[in-house]
Amino acid sequence: AQRVTQPEKLLSVFKGAPVELKCNYSYSGSPELFWYVQYSRQRLQLLLRHISRESIKGFTADLNKGETSFHLKKPFAQEEDSAMYYCALSGGRGGGSQGNLIFGKGTKLSVKP
Amino acid sequence: KAGVTQTPRYLIKTRGQQVTLSCSPISGHRSVSWYQQTPGQGLQFLFEYFSETQRNKGNFPGRFSGRQFSNSRSEMNVSTLELGDSALYLCASSLVPSTEAFFGQGTRLTVV
Repeated sequence: AQRVTQPEKLLSVFKGAPVELKCNYSYSGSPELFWYVQYSRQRLQLLLRHISRESIKGFTADLNKGETSFHLKKPFAQEEDSAMYYCALSGGRGGGSQGNLIFGKGTKLSVKP
Repeated sequence: KAGVTQTPRYLIKTRGQQVTLSCSPISGHRSVSWYQQTPGQGLQFLFEYFSETQRNKGNFPGRFSGRQFSNSRSEMNVSTLELGDSALYLCASSLVPSTEAFFGQGTRLTVV
């Protein structure tokens, strides 16, 4: 079964500390993974997708097919990074579709001053 | 440009009733998807539409249905409402399915 697991409901770090939000997935085939973010009172929005291999707002994520993981990392957390982060997997037919996403349950990141 | 618009924002219905939620995608977007968000189950995929055709459907009972119109606007309908249908329903649109999905603010449905 296709599944995305985010083991931490809440992650609290101090400003300037490194951050790693964990994501593990279960998928038969070649997955496409995404990280979405929801800031307070804002809409859910795409942060990054693994195929673009970009660094957005200092965040990076590497797809590790051997460990079936797609952890989100940032070397130095900022207070404005506080938000809900969701890892998602593209499911269904039509490779790369962002119209059929399987989401993890999310991790709330709190960055303290 | 205007974002994804969902109406109404809040809705209270009684068990057994039916409800229709509306989603207007970003202009030019032809793909629309729906998700249900609850505290217990998180975000769960409901349907995906592209050019008026349902591409994928999530694991929800037949009481949940949807459609997409020629102008790409989409509606979802839930019949015979149950208490467990209380949730935030999110709509997302994209140019085509493989491009970035933009989410609406959601419709908060409460079933009493």
